[in-house]
Amino acid sequence: GIQVEQSPPDLILQEGANSTLRCNFSDSVNNLQWFHQNPWGQLINLFYIPSGTKQNGRLSATTVATERYSLLYISSSQTTDSGVYFCAVGNTNAGKSTFGDGTTLTVKP
Amino acid sequence: EPEVTQTPSHQVTQMGQEVILRCVPISNHLYFYWYRQILGQKVEFLVSFYNNEISEKSEIFDDQFSVERPDGSNFTLKIRSTKLEDSAMYFCASSEGVRSVTFGSGTRLTVV
Repeated sequence: GIQVEQSPPDLILQEGANSTLRCNFSDSVNNLQWFHQNPWGQLINLFYIPSGTKQNGRLSATTVATERYSLLYISSSQTTDSGVYFCAVGNTNAGKSTFGDGTTLTVKP
Repeated sequence: EPEVTQTPSHQVTQMGQEVILRCVPISNHLYFYWYRQILGQKVEFLVSFYNNEISEKSEIFDDQFSVERPDGSNFTLKIRSTKLEDSAMYFCASSEGVRSVTFGSGTRLTVV
């Protein structure tokens, strides 16, 4: 099956700093999503982005499908951005998504 | 914004007991899924369901698991005889097509 690698595994930032999270995947995909898992365990959908670039406030994401990677940018980070960020990809007709191991982000005040 | 609703939010059960986790997917969605996340680990796919049948399942989804859409709104995951290693957060999800999946808030299952 498809392999998903996320980097870095852990990231510690001061409030106000910018960061870039990366997701590499091993095969072509028809689905790619970025999620934020908050401290209560909820998976919050940030972006559906199998290709191209999207922005939502301080967050933006870019997927270069031909090179099999996606980037999530967080600007002017806030303590509420802390949590685990997952990339999930899929390439089947049944909708299965394969998750990466996640990046644990800690934003310090 | 439409939500996927899961109940209960937390369930504690004795080892060997049967549990049913319940989900109400988004009303116009056609694809339904169950995922699980053991504490501190990544989210793992269990099963996808479309047109009243399983369309794909993982090797985790063995004979002790089953899914059902008992009526037009609910989607359930049954674990027949729970084991300690079934303790995890179970997420239900749904999608209109096979893309852009919306997840519920999860049910934390604790087997004691």
